[in-house]
Amino acid sequence: DVKVTQSSRYLVKRTGEKVFLECVQDMDHENMFWYRQDPGLGLRLIYFSYDVKMKEKGDIPEGYSVSREKKERFSLILESASTNQTSMYLCASSPLLGSTEAFFGQGTRLTVV
Amino acid sequence: GDSVTQMEGPVTLSEEAFLTINCTYTATGYPSLFWYVQYPGEGLQLLLKATKADDKGSNKGFEATYRKETTSFHLEKGSVQVSDSAVYFCALRGGRGGSNYKLTFGKGTLLTVNP
Repeated sequence: DVKVTQSSRYLVKRTGEKVFLECVQDMDHENMFWYRQDPGLGLRLIYFSYDVKMKEKGDIPEGYSVSREKKERFSLILESASTNQTSMYLCASSPLLGSTEAFFGQGTRLTVV
Repeated sequence: GDSVTQMEGPVTLSEEAFLTINCTYTATGYPSLFWYVQYPGEGLQLLLKATKADDKGSNKGFEATYRKETTSFHLEKGSVQVSDSAVYFCALRGGRGGSNYKLTFGKGTLLTVNP
């Protein structure tokens, strides 16, 4: 069974902290994504990666960075957390090309206080 | 660029009612189309998909038909259950010549089904 696993379901961090959200997939997918989900705004793409050490900005990259040192792992980094980054974060993976769907992790609910 | 527009809701129905959630899209090339469902507190799960014009995706009593002429992919179910209460997202993955690697989502539609 395919699996995308996010390291935490819930996180509470303080303003100014450096925050790491980890995501691991076991499907040997080339593509990995980080989305942010907010009420009324749907899912917005933060960053994606199509290969190890490769990354591209999505629609809302400001305040975030990413790391992909291994194919199966994609990390989202909040360099200095702020209260407006309180949100649900969703990781996904998919094959590089073709019509196959993306597979999602269970989400991380991050609260910045 | 690619975009997806879906009815925003919320939608509230009684059990056994008929459901339609409208979805239209704008995309270059020949996108694949998807409906995802998100149950409370969970991530997104694929509900159904269609990869070319006139394809019908179906799963768990839900159906959607890929209509290229109207650029639509409306979700339907003949008789909803309380357990169908969730947020539903329409999405596309770009076809050739477009952004094939990423999914573009609509804003989601909250469905509540009352007993």
